[in-house]
Amino acid sequence: QVQLQESGPGLVKPSQTLSLTCTVSGGSISSGSYYWSWIRQPAGKGLEWIGRIYTSGSTNYNPSLKSRVTISVDTSKNQFSLKLSSVTAADTAVYYCARYMPAAIPAGMDVWGQGTTVTVSS
Amino acid sequence: SYVLTQPPSVSVAPGQTARITCGGNNIGSKSVHWYQQKPGQAPVLVVYDDSDRPSGIPERFSGSNSGNTATLTISRVEAGDEADYYCQVWDSSSDQEVFGGGTKLTVL
Repeated sequence: QVQLQESGPGLVKPSQTLSLTCTVSGGSISSGSYYWSWIRQPAGKGLEWIGRIYTSGSTNYNPSLKSRVTISVDTSKNQFSLKLSSVTAADTAVYYCARYMPAAIPAGMDVWGQGTTVTVSS
Repeated sequence: SYVLTQPPSVSVAPGQTARITCGGNNIGSKSVHWYQQKPGQAPVLVVYDDSDRPSGIPERFSGSNSGNTATLTISRVEAGDEADYYCQVWDSSSDQEVFGGGTKLTVL
């Protein structure tokens, strides 16, 4: 059974780059036709999709974040990563990684990490 | 960009049926997915592609989608169903996932 685990600094200074990694266990990130995604949730608020990456490396990003976001995959480490540049307090949130259900067209996200809290503060 | 509108809250007595709506322009032409999120936990997919259930999700959870409204229906509601529920679609015009604002289900 595939499991996901987010990791990275819990505190990032304003204007710096937030970097998170999602480690996939119980299966290979490169096997099958899967999309992998990042989602965030500010405290007390709703879910915001950040972007996704296919195992081939192709990406889609939230247009509101696109200029600051990079999602990449490292098949040798069975991980995919998120980089968000020029962060502000508005980027403070719980960040989740997730896997889409296997399908020719991405459907729902059926496997989620537990989430990691990132605070942007000096 | 595409907007999904959910009621902020829905209340229902145990054993009754809860219906949570998700409104969007011509949402019936899109595939809608629903998530349940309990406090301090990651979301859980409860319905995908409008009306399918992932393995392990009780049959009490069902979905429908037509016109401008998608609906998540929870039959025979239990105390453990109390949670926030989110709808989600892919907006092909802007190539992004869109989530509804979420609905807090309270079991009276």
